[in-house]
Amino acid sequence: DIQMTQSPASLSASLGETVTIECRASEDIYNGLAWYQQKPGKSPQLLIYNANSLHTGVPSRFSGSGSGTQYSLKINSLQSEDVASYFCQQYYNYRTFGGGTKLELK
Amino acid sequence: VQLVESGGGLVQPGKSLKLSCSASGFTFSSYGMHWIRQAPGKGLDWVAYISSSSGTVYADAVKGRFTISRDNAKNTLYLQLNSLKSEDTAIYYCARSAGAGYFDYWGQGVMVTVSS
Repeated sequence: DIQMTQSPASLSASLGETVTIECRASEDIYNGLAWYQQKPGKSPQLLIYNANSLHTGVPSRFSGSGSGTQYSLKINSLQSEDVASYFCQQYYNYRTFGGGTKLELK
Repeated sequence: VQLVESGGGLVQPGKSLKLSCSASGFTFSSYGMHWIRQAPGKGLDWVAYISSSSGTVYADAVKGRFTISRDNAKNTLYLQLNSLKSEDTAIYYCARSAGAGYFDYWGQGVMVTVSS
């Protein structure tokens, strides 16, 4: 099974700041990676797929990058509505999720 | 796109439960569908997948105990949960497959609690 290691587990940032969340796969996943946002008490919502493609309706301050085993999600100009947990997911071989990153406001 | 789960509740270990996911806003029969679960305060675990042609795949943790199925005439996805264990306690989400293996739309989730 492909293991996904996400970091950091928690993060505190200020409004307007740029935030980066990392995800490392245990083997090459060939850009088969998605990012999801989960607000408290809500279901996850797709942000990014194929490592760097923005899902319909997602603000352009979200972006994804990476290749091979290393991927990242960047949030530019952090807004209050971005407070949430973020999960990466690989779909190159079956489907596994990272452990999540809880983003809070400083 | 709207996905609405139902059928959750409190069930004793070893018992069974059947979850439903009612789909609307898209051509249900053309899409593969998934069940994903989240234990309280924990991360996400993929559970099962059914293709548009009803081929199925399961996570090792539920293989032989859970059965995913679909009724295209009713636009409904199902998950039959048998031989339930305490570790199956979670919110269960249905989600639409985006083809490559990610999930582009999710339901609101339904809670399953396995406890005596």
